[in-house]
Amino acid sequence: ELKVEQNPLFLSMQEGKNYTIYCNYSTTSDRLYWYRQDPGKSLESLFVLLSNGAVKQEGRLMASLDTKARLSTLHITAAVHDLSATYFCAVCTSGTYKYIFGTGTRLKVLA
Amino acid sequence: SAVISQKPSRDICQRGTSLTIQCQVDSQVTMMFWYRQQPGQSLTLIATANQGSEATYESGFVIDKFPISRPNLTFSTLTVSNMSPEDSSIYLCSVEDRGRTNYGYTFGSGTRLTVV
Repeated sequence: ELKVEQNPLFLSMQEGKNYTIYCNYSTTSDRLYWYRQDPGKSLESLFVLLSNGAVKQEGRLMASLDTKARLSTLHITAAVHDLSATYFCAVCTSGTYKYIFGTGTRLKVLA
Repeated sequence: SAVISQKPSRDICQRGTSLTIQCQVDSQVTMMFWYRQQPGQSLTLIATANQGSEATYESGFVIDKFPISRPNLTFSTLTVSNMSPEDSSIYLCSVEDRGRTNYGYTFGSGTRLTVV
């Protein structure tokens, strides 16, 4: 059974600082997604990572994937308040269409 | 990318009653997914709905409690039956956005359900 864990679960950081969110998964996967959820809102797709070594960047966020370690990271550079949200990774088991969500990381950026 | 209209956006229901949630997609999609997000928690897949066949339910979810319809390639409903306070959650539908596969799946705006 595929399990997806994120850490930290909660993250409070100062504006301008850098930090990394980690997503570990338990079985082989061929797709990994990162989503953002604002309070009371639905999910917004940020990145999809399809292969080992894949790296995607958008603004202050950069996501990477290491399929051998079964690990993805979401790196935040010079955080700003607008990045405050909950971030989820989601992993598809190889050969299936279903994807399992991580536990989520609630990020709060302090001005 | 695909646009999903999900209704209702929120509801407060009495225990023992049922609520039907609708999702309308602006393009044809093969599979639609229904998720539950309990307060402060992650998302849990309830079932996958394919047009013209019975929905496939995940462990812990049964058809009698969460009947799903998928009459065509752009529409699906999820019913939460015989509700109890434990069913209070956000329910979301989702589709794989083949127009933007590299950007993942698209989600509806969610239905915030409170059972009293």
